[in-house]
Amino acid sequence: DTAVSQTPKYLVTQMGNDKSIKCEQNLGHDTMYWYKQDSKKFLKIMFSYNNKELIINETVPNRFSPKSPDKAHLNLHINSLELGDSAVYFCASSQESVDTQYFGPGTRLTVL
Amino acid sequence: AQSVTQLDSQVPVFEEAPVELRCNYSSSVSVYLFWYVQYPNQGLQLLLKYLSGSTLVKGINGFEAEFNKSQTSFHLRKPSVHISDTAEYFCAVTQAAGNKLTFGGGTRVLVKP
Repeated sequence: DTAVSQTPKYLVTQMGNDKSIKCEQNLGHDTMYWYKQDSKKFLKIMFSYNNKELIINETVPNRFSPKSPDKAHLNLHINSLELGDSAVYFCASSQESVDTQYFGPGTRLTVL
Repeated sequence: AQSVTQLDSQVPVFEEAPVELRCNYSSSVSVYLFWYVQYPNQGLQLLLKYLSGSTLVKGINGFEAEFNKSQTSFHLRKPSVHISDTAEYFCAVTQAAGNKLTFGGGTRVLVKP
């Protein structure tokens, strides 16, 4: 059973397009996250939701919009994609906000 | 604000040799500390964590780490590495009353036969 799953695994698109990445967790966790990992492997939190409520919103361009339809899902929609958005995006979840986070396999986004 | 510094970006090591990965953090309040491992083309997986209690923490795959509050460090060690330990290792910190995990820049461990 996959605990945290993301789709798609790879996403190649042109500049200016709009795309979405989906995340689902079957662990019954209350908190979900989106991270961005750049080409140098640096990992930075973007958003965090607790029971469908936004609790962390780092300095991310407003072209990025997370949506949590229920506490098991946290999707990431990106408008007007730019070259600098190319990265690996990880979804994660945890029971409590200070507890162990379980990561998905990542979505490698390439903007051409 | 909190921050994490991993002092070594790459650590080459021979198989069956010991390895130590250094991690220092900065925070004005109590923290929880974590080590995660990322195998090639995979997500992150927890190796071990320090929340409270004994400062020596044992994790999976033979790894252990020691929390040193006076030196604000949380170094990771393994006495004998295997080829399969080749991966990227991340130290992370969150405030005890907070909700944001801050990661270090990562240390790439390359185990050579």
